[in-house]
Formats: sequence, structure tokens, C-alpha cells
Amino acid sequence: AQSVTQLDSQVPVFEEAPVELRCNYSSSVSVYLFWYVQYPNQGLQLLLKYLSGSTLVKGINGFEAEFNKSQTSFHLRKPSVHISDTAEYFCAVSDGASKIIFGSGTRLSIRP
Amino acid sequence: NAGVTQTPKFRVLKTGQSMTLLCAQDMNHEYMYWYRQDPGMGLRLIHYSVGEGTTAKGEVPDGYNVSRLKKQNFLLGLESAAPSQTSVYFCASSYEGPYNEQFFGPGTRLTVL
Repeated sequence: AQSVTQLDSQVPVFEEAPVELRCNYSSSVSVYLFWYVQYPNQGLQLLLKYLSGSTLVKGINGFEAEFNKSQTSFHLRKPSVHISDTAEYFCAVSDGASKIIFGSGTRLSIRP
Repeated sequence: NAGVTQTPKFRVLKTGQSMTLLCAQDMNHEYMYWYRQDPGMGLRLIHYSVGEGTTAKGEVPDGYNVSRLKKQNFLLGLESAAPSQTSVYFCASSYEGPYNEQFFGPGTRLTVL
């Protein structure tokens, strides 16, 4: 069985500061990993995904994530955040069979 | 392209009433999903479909039924609504399996009194 743990439910940061949103997963098989973003009152949209290959994945809006198999982690990072990055971020894992499991979400709030 | 659309956007039901949520996609996607989103719990999969005429249970299927009579539509039904079904419901679709990007609708906010 797969599971996803997002270690922080809320992360407050100042504008232009770096941020890291943490995600750990468990799976007995090879995994595909995702980060989705949900802006207020909207559906989710894909930020980035890891399927195979390079462990450093770059996504939209300057975000990147690193797949670490030994630590079963897929943390999301951005070197300098903007007010427009205020949103909820979801880590997700799939074994590629039929469905995807989402984490409980991390709410990123940016202070001016 | 409209992408994924959901009808209605908001609904208030009384306990015991029934309703159907409609999801439509115009991207010719094979896979479609229904999720519910509750505070602090992320998204939980209710039912999904891997093609026209097929459906399968997700994590939290009890109290819901689904149908996929046409490839572009995925219906979620509540036969006898309960307050525990108060939630925001999202539909999503993907081209192939879940290793592909899922495209989400805008959501339906359902309140059961």
C-alpha cells in the first residue's frame, strides 16, 4: 500500500525568502511522484512530476523538487517566493496502476 | 477547449435527499476520477473509471454511486445524502494512467443539512 505524509500543515514565509515543503512517501513498488498546487477557490493543477531519470525535477513558476529514494522523500523548493505563490500544495504518489494518493496538503502563506 | 467542467458549482441538500453531480471533459481522456476534499485531509478518491462503461471503487466509496455511459461524462450520485457528505467534490481526468497529469474541474461545494 502507498501513503504520503506532508509534514507541515502550514508554512508561513516572508516574500523573497526561500521555502521548502516536505513530503515523504511509502510504497513497496516503483513510484511516480507529483506536486499539485491549489489556488483559492480553484481546482488543483500540476506543478511538477517525477517519473524516472534525473532526481531533480523542475516545474512551473520556479519550483523544483528532488526525489530521494533512500529517504523516500520528494521535497518541493523555491529559492524566492512571491505573494502569488500563496496557495495549498499537495504531494501525491502513484504506482502507475490505476490511482494516485494525495497527501493532506501544506498551506503556504507569504508575508510581505 | 473547456477542459473539465462540473455541474452544479454549489448545492444545499437536506438529509435523505438525492442528487447527481455531473463531470464533463472535452480532452478525450480515458481516465476519470471523483474526489472529495475535506479540511486537513487532502483529496480522497471516491470512485474512478478507466474507460467508457467501467467504474471502480476508491478509498471512500460508501454512500456514492457512479456511472460512465459516455467517455466524456462521469456522474457521481448520492442516493440518500448525509451530513458527513458535506464536502467539496472535484472531478479530474487524465489521458492514460495516473502517472499522467490529472486535469481538475473547479469543484462543487455541497452542504447537507
